[in-house]
Amino acid sequence: AQSVSQHNHHVILSEAASLELGCNYSYGGTVNLFWYVQYPGQHLQLLLKYFSGDPLVKGIKGFEAEFIKSKFSFNLRKPSVQWSDTAEYFCAVNAGGNEKLTFGTGTRLTIIP
Amino acid sequence: DTEVTQTPKHLVMGMTNKKSLKCEQHMGHRAMYWYKQKAKKPPELMFVYSYEKLSINESVPSRFSPECPNSSLLNLHLHALQPEDSALYLCASRLALTGPEWETQYFGPGTRLLVL
Repeated sequence: AQSVSQHNHHVILSEAASLELGCNYSYGGTVNLFWYVQYPGQHLQLLLKYFSGDPLVKGIKGFEAEFIKSKFSFNLRKPSVQWSDTAEYFCAVNAGGNEKLTFGTGTRLTIIP
Repeated sequence: DTEVTQTPKHLVMGMTNKKSLKCEQHMGHRAMYWYKQKAKKPPELMFVYSYEKLSINESVPSRFSPECPNSSLLNLHLHALQPEDSALYLCASRLALTGPEWETQYFGPGTRLLVL
């Protein structure tokens, strides 16, 4: 069965700091990987996704993520965060062809102005 | 347009009430999902409909009854709920064609349910 771990439960950063949120998954086969963001009081929005090809994927709002197959990781990065990035971030995985999307426990990001 | 709409936005119901949640999308997506999300937790899958047929039921109690009347609509009928069922109920959809590029799920804003 697929599972996802997000070890950072709550991250607090100052504006302009660099961000890296960890995501590790466990599944031996082909996976599709996603990062979703949930701003306070809003619905889940897709930040970026990886299916195949270039392991460095770029998403919206200046976010990017790198798929490292040997480490079963898909960490999210942003070089300079803004106050408006305050949100809950969820990593998610589905095994190729599987209907089920499995979410990590989420990382709450708080940006201090 | 990648919009999934859900009504109502908020719902308060007693334990003996019967109510329904509605989800709609007009993107031609043929897979639709119900998730439950408790505060500060990730979404948990409840049901999946694929081409209007129930394909996954994650052992959800029978007091939750899903229905997919057509390819654009997904309902969740609620009856005799418990206070612990209070949560944000999210609907999602995806295109359901074969291939990884079609695996992205698009989420609606959710219905915040309070059971008294």
